[in-house]
Amino acid sequence: SAVISQKPSRDICQRGTSLTIQCQVDSQVTMMFWYRQQPGQSLTLIATANQGSEATYESGFVIDKFPISRPNLTFSTLTVSNMSPEDSSIYLCSVEKGSGNTIYFGEGSWLTVV
Amino acid sequence: GENVEQHPSTLSVQEGDSAVIKCTYSDSASNYFPWYKQELGKRPQLIIDIRSNVGEKKDQRIAVTLNKTAKHFSLHITETQPEDSAVYFCAASTSYKLIFGSGTRLLVRP
Repeated sequence: SAVISQKPSRDICQRGTSLTIQCQVDSQVTMMFWYRQQPGQSLTLIATANQGSEATYESGFVIDKFPISRPNLTFSTLTVSNMSPEDSSIYLCSVEKGSGNTIYFGEGSWLTVV
Repeated sequence: GENVEQHPSTLSVQEGDSAVIKCTYSDSASNYFPWYKQELGKRPQLIIDIRSNVGEKKDQRIAVTLNKTAKHFSLHITETQPEDSAVYFCAASTSYKLIFGSGTRLLVRP
């Protein structure tokens, strides 16, 4: 498995502001992913972050709203820009580790936008 | 793209009974099928997974079956315990991109 730490774990944010979530992994990984889980809903992939290249965004998510950095093989950040109440969600960092496609999740960042 | 449907959305069982959650997927190229358990206020935790070259996999009270022809897979929990109460998500993947089902809220009544 992998130890994946996220900061902040929780935050209450003002409408119109931006927040950057950090994800730190205890070992080098090639692929890191960011998911969103809206209240009472399932998980949706926002983007895939590979070191040394731009993130690849899924349909419905754009770089201007969710800029991502991946400066090295153990760290990534996701920024939620110009937040609105609809952005209130759990944001989860995940990595592929071990054999095949095994995906592990970080502890999550619970964001509430007021 | 891939679409994963999960049923039932809620499931209530008596402690000691079995629970079965079913998922279907649309992309025949999908080759990896994990199941996650999410307790209230916590992250999803991988509990079992299966790959397309295997039909069944067991881990103590948990088992997963895969029918590639029908494109469906199921989670079986035997001898359920109150601590099994949680939301369970299935997912399907063709490489590393997980597409999740909508989740099943399992309640195990003592």
